Amino acid sequence: DTEVTQTPKHLVMGMTNKKSLKCEQHMGHRAMYWYKQKAKKPPELMFVYSYEKLSINESVPSRFSPECPNSSLLNLHLHALQPEDSALYLCASSQAGRGPAEGEAFFGQGTRLTVV
Amino acid sequence: QKEVEQDPGPLSVPEGAIVSLNCTYSNSAFQYFMWYRQYSRKGPELLMYTYSSGNKEDGRFTAQVDKSSKYISLFIRDSQPSDSATYLCAMTGRYNFNKFYFGSGTKLNVKP
Repeated sequence: DTEVTQTPKHLVMGMTNKKSLKCEQHMGHRAMYWYKQKAKKPPELMFVYSYEKLSINESVPSRFSPECPNSSLLNLHLHALQPEDSALYLCASSQAGRGPAEGEAFFGQGTRLTVV
Repeated sequence: QKEVEQDPGPLSVPEGAIVSLNCTYSNSAFQYFMWYRQYSRKGPELLMYTYSSGNKEDGRFTAQVDKSSKYISLFIRDSQPSDSATYLCAMTGRYNFNKFYFGSGTKLNVKP
């Protein structure tokens, strides 16, 4: 099973709302990622968790708040977003640690977020 | 200079053609190389993963890595209309393995 599951698939939120995106994997991967993708652009890295600890934050605004409650789950909490934050938000996971498999990353189908 | 360069296309080919997609990179530390297929409004699907140099074949797909030239390729044999999608290369290195560097993606259209 190489599945990364993201919910919800679509989300429309106002600029004053608080919402959360969820991601789950059961591959035993200990590295999990949030990416943002705009139309016709490649994914842009936002956050990386390695062994449930935040290891990379790509200078993402504080209105995006990640959380990794356990090794299978990753959340992205959203608050006071702007219309320009509308995008496809992708979760990914990979093995952590050393070895040939560590670079193999699997993506979920994404949450299409629209901020109105 | 971008870490990874990829021709954005679009690339249009007739059904049954052999397709060649390529990326070049500048960082000699990259060791892990991936090709993703992404359909419109969907997440990227991992097609091929290669560690270090060499070739890897899976069905109609062949991935090649030439580290001496810093060049990777994906070949699709007997292309089908269902192969029409954007193809993204991605790579990372041993000492920064959690940070993946993506090409800009090549849009492929296979005409029936």
